[in-house]
Formats: sequence, C-alpha cells, structure tokens
Amino acid sequence: QIQLVQSGPELKKPGESVKISCKASGYTFTDYAMHWVKQAPGKGLKWMGWINTYTGKPTYADDFKGRFVFSLEASASTANLQISNLKNEDTATYFCARPNYYVMDAWGQGASVTVSS
Amino acid sequence: IQLTQSPSLLSASVGDRVTLSCKGSQNINNYLAWYQQKLGEAPKLLIYNTNSLQTGIPSRFSGSGSGTDYTLTISSLQPEDVATYFCYQYNNGWTFGGGTKLELK
Repeated sequence: QIQLVQSGPELKKPGESVKISCKASGYTFTDYAMHWVKQAPGKGLKWMGWINTYTGKPTYADDFKGRFVFSLEASASTANLQISNLKNEDTATYFCARPNYYVMDAWGQGASVTVSS
Repeated sequence: IQLTQSPSLLSASVGDRVTLSCKGSQNINNYLAWYQQKLGEAPKLLIYNTNSLQTGIPSRFSGSGSGTDYTLTISSLQPEDVATYFCYQYNNGWTFGGGTKLELK
C-alpha cells in the first residue's frame, strides 16, 4: 500500500537549519509530484508548494520563498524539505502529501519542528 | 483564491445532520475537496471534485456546491466524526480553508 514515512521530531535554535525527509513506498515515486503543507500548533493547514519528482523542479508558495528548499533523492524515493535560518514562527508540523489529479490523497504522518532558544 | 469556512466551531449531537460551509473568494469550478483531521493525525481525504466520495469513506459524508459556495454534509453524526474539517481548492493554485472544529454536544 502507499506509504509516506517522514523523519522524526526536531528541536532547533533560531538561526539553525533543519532537513525533513519523506520516504515514499507502494508506488512509482517519479509518477507523482510531492506537496508540502505546514501546520502551526493549534492552527490550520497552509500549502507550502510542490516539487516535480520527475524533473526535480520546485514551486514555492509566496510565503515560502527564500528560506525553504524542496529537494529529492529519487533513487531512494525520498523528498526533502530544508529550512534555513530558522525562526520561532517556523515551529510547526510539516506534512508531505502525494497528489492524485491535484488532490492530496496520501499523507505522511507529519514531522514536528520546534524552534526555541 | 481565499477560502472561508463557517462556522469555526460546531457542536452537535450523535445522530444529527451536520452541514459545514466553505466559501471561495472566486469561482472554484467544482475543484473543491474536504479533509478530516483528528487530533495528532494527518488529514484524511473525504470528498474530491465537490461530491466524489473517496474510497473507504462512509456514505454518511457527502459534498455539494458550485461556483463559490460548497457544503460538506454528515447525514447522521457519529462519535468518531469529532474532528476538524478543512476544505481545499485546486482550481487556481492550492488553498486550504481555516477549518471547522466539530465537537459533540
């Protein structure tokens, strides 16, 4: 069955960087894009952008241009999200999600990032 | 496209018919989905393309709407339906609504 397994929780200081991974299984990785979604504590879902897993081209939502980088390890069926120069407001759970005809139908379990001095 | 969900909090009893609303700032052309998120879990897809039920989702869930106005209906509320529900448009980019938290009265 389709599974997206994300890396574990991270505790970081402001200014540091973090890399979150999302390993896919149960389907051909390069046949589907990968989206990223942010959920701050007690808040709603915010679409961050997506990466074309065939070409590697990323597309970022306006609020996530600059410090956020989507990348791939296609040979390992893994998508990554790196956030640099972490700020307190980056504290959130980050989900990867696979779209099927633009609708995200499979989600990772979420990766928690806490930014605190 | 901005999505506004109402109400933000809804209290209902087991067996009630529940209606959740999602309004877009522009025409969504039926490219509207609904997700259910329980505490501590990832969102789960319930409905896509306004009214198509995702495989494995109980038939008490249904969706309707057109243009800018869309609705998720639960025909008979069950205890396991306590969750936050998000609408999501994919007509022009990708946007989530702010969510409706559904609790038992």
